[in-house]
Parts: sequence; structure tokens; C-alpha cells
Amino acid sequence: NAGVTQTPKFQVLKTGQSMTLQCAQDMNHEYMSWYRQDPGMGLRLIHYSVGAGITDQGEVPNGYNVSRSTTEDFPLRLLSAAPSQTSVYFCASNPDPFNPNEQFFGPGTRLTVL
Amino acid sequence: GENVEQHPSTLSVQEGDSAVIKCTYSDSASNYFPWYKQELGKGPQLIIDIRSNVGEKKDQRIAVTLNKTAKHFSLHITETQPEDSAVYFCAARVGPGGSYIPTFGRGTSLIVHP
Repeated sequence: NAGVTQTPKFQVLKTGQSMTLQCAQDMNHEYMSWYRQDPGMGLRLIHYSVGAGITDQGEVPNGYNVSRSTTEDFPLRLLSAAPSQTSVYFCASNPDPFNPNEQFFGPGTRLTVL
Repeated sequence: GENVEQHPSTLSVQEGDSAVIKCTYSDSASNYFPWYKQELGKGPQLIIDIRSNVGEKKDQRIAVTLNKTAKHFSLHITETQPEDSAVYFCAARVGPGGSYIPTFGRGTSLIVHP
């Protein structure tokens, strides 16, 4: 298994540009989520999904959209990038959203918005 | 919602010493407490977890203790080694019947000097 994969690893955008951060997992996990990590702020939840076709907002959803058309993929879209979205983004998956257990994180995408 | 406080933000020790990281949580319904280790340039990875029906759990040099009455839990690393240098995150999560979204602490940067 490749686990949780994310692309790209690095990205530089100009203010106002749009882009999609890709996330995929091959473990057949129902629960997937997106976090952003900023210095001194820990991991903050952006959006999450408990299964295909179901998404919900986390702690910091503004400026981001998600969709979950398949179990495997959970892309994160920035419609109009802002410098405040400069961060490291992590995707994570979990086999069972209704029971507490290990989350598996991807390697991250480092995004800079100029 | 749940609030997780983590201390210290930075911890510097000499190789061979012990390191202790402490977290407090606010939601008495939380029943799952994982600890993640994040090495430079990588995503967080689970190193140990504890559930609310257990007071202590050990795995070689790593141990976690939980005090449900005081709502705090701690990570103990004995005989630290330079490869233990990383950022450590605690989290709290409510299981079945409650929110399945984990709340993370802000992280502790552990530096082990050779």
C-alpha cells in the first residue's frame, strides 16, 4: 500500500490564483480530512469527509472547497488564493470515522501565496 | 467543543535524559488520546495512544499516562536519543456517540542534544 499520497509537494501561487491539492489513499478508509499547519498553531482542521458524497466543515473552512466523489480521493480546492493561505497542508485518513483510532497522514504540501 | 492545551512548546534535553510533555483537555467525554511524532518535512505519525479506560500504557522507551479526573495526559520518553528530536502532538477525541473529530494540541518541539 502507498498509504496517503499528496501532490504537489511544493507550490507557489500568486494572490487570486486557484489550484487543487490532491489527496489519495489506497487503504479503503472511509474518513478523510484536511489540516493546515502553521507555526505555533498546531494542526487545524479545514474540511473532513466520513464517506463518499459526504463532506463537512472543520475549524477553518473559509477559502477552501472539497468534494468526495470516490472513497480514494479527497481534493482540496483554493478558489482564489490569499497570502493568509500560505501554510503546510496535510491530508489524513482513518478507517472508521465513528470509532477513535489512528489517523494516517500524508507527507504534506507546502504552499506559498505571494 | 474540545480544547487541548499542550506544554511546553519547546523542550531541550541531553541525550539519555527523560522528556515529559503534558496536555490538558476540556471535554470530559473525550475517550481517546493519541500522540503523534512529526519529523522534519514529514507528516505526523502515531507513536502511542491511550483510551479512557486505561491509566498508563508503555511501549519500550515511550509511555503515556492519563488522569481522567484532572483531565490531563502526558507523554514520557526515557533514555532520549538524538533521533527522538521532532515535534510531538497530543490529541483528544470523543468516540462513539460523540464527535469523531480529534482536536490537536499546538505541538512540542523536542530537541535532544548528543
